[in-house]
Amino acid sequence: GAGVSQSPSNKVTEKGKDVELRCDPISGHTALYWYRQRLGQGLEFLIYFQGNSAPDKSGLPSDRFSAERTGESVSTLTIQRTQQEDSAVYLCASSSKGGSGEKLFFGSGTQLSVL
Amino acid sequence: GEDVEQSLFLSVREGDSSVINCTYTDSSSTYLYWYKQEPGAGLQLLTYIFSNMDMKQDQRLTVLLNKKDKHLSLRIADTQTGDSAIYFCAERRPDSSYKLIFGSGTRLLVRP
Repeated sequence: GAGVSQSPSNKVTEKGKDVELRCDPISGHTALYWYRQRLGQGLEFLIYFQGNSAPDKSGLPSDRFSAERTGESVSTLTIQRTQQEDSAVYLCASSSKGGSGEKLFFGSGTQLSVL
Repeated sequence: GEDVEQSLFLSVREGDSSVINCTYTDSSSTYLYWYKQEPGAGLQLLTYIFSNMDMKQDQRLTVLLNKKDKHLSLRIADTQTGDSAIYFCAERRPDSSYKLIFGSGTRLLVRP
């Protein structure tokens, strides 16, 4: 596609429910990142996928968070048993290769609100 | 400190210059970035500078890097109302080849 696409753009859920967020990276981009942006704060790294390598999950805040990516295509971020502190904008980005200096292209994000 | 720090808010008059400042954490960081976020949109890379440079100019944008003080600034010349957005600085630390560490963002408001 022309850019990084994320869905849904907004998600309101009840505490304790599971949610699944989707990211469609730019075609041909091998690297994919998930970040979380809490209100008034910077971006917090969550997870990184690069090609067929094992993902770097070091930024996931708890075992309620998981993410998958099939090959070099779509990625899903799943949050189980959501809590109010999970409320944030979840941003996905992709780039043509991993490593230093490459340009990240961001999606518009999913605004998650946990009531 | 551990955080990339930015002031929260800047207001300028249309046509004036804007200077957004950032203090980063690791003097060994290889790349430093400025991203722009408009309402309802993702982040857009504006410009970046490699750590062996102290200045980079790109049209209305000038990036200054002071490695000794770990200080990065973004100057926007002839600021326009369309420049109103949140500006994030980010660093890529040498202990990671890919993770960007972001500041909290500076909201720039351009008054007509």
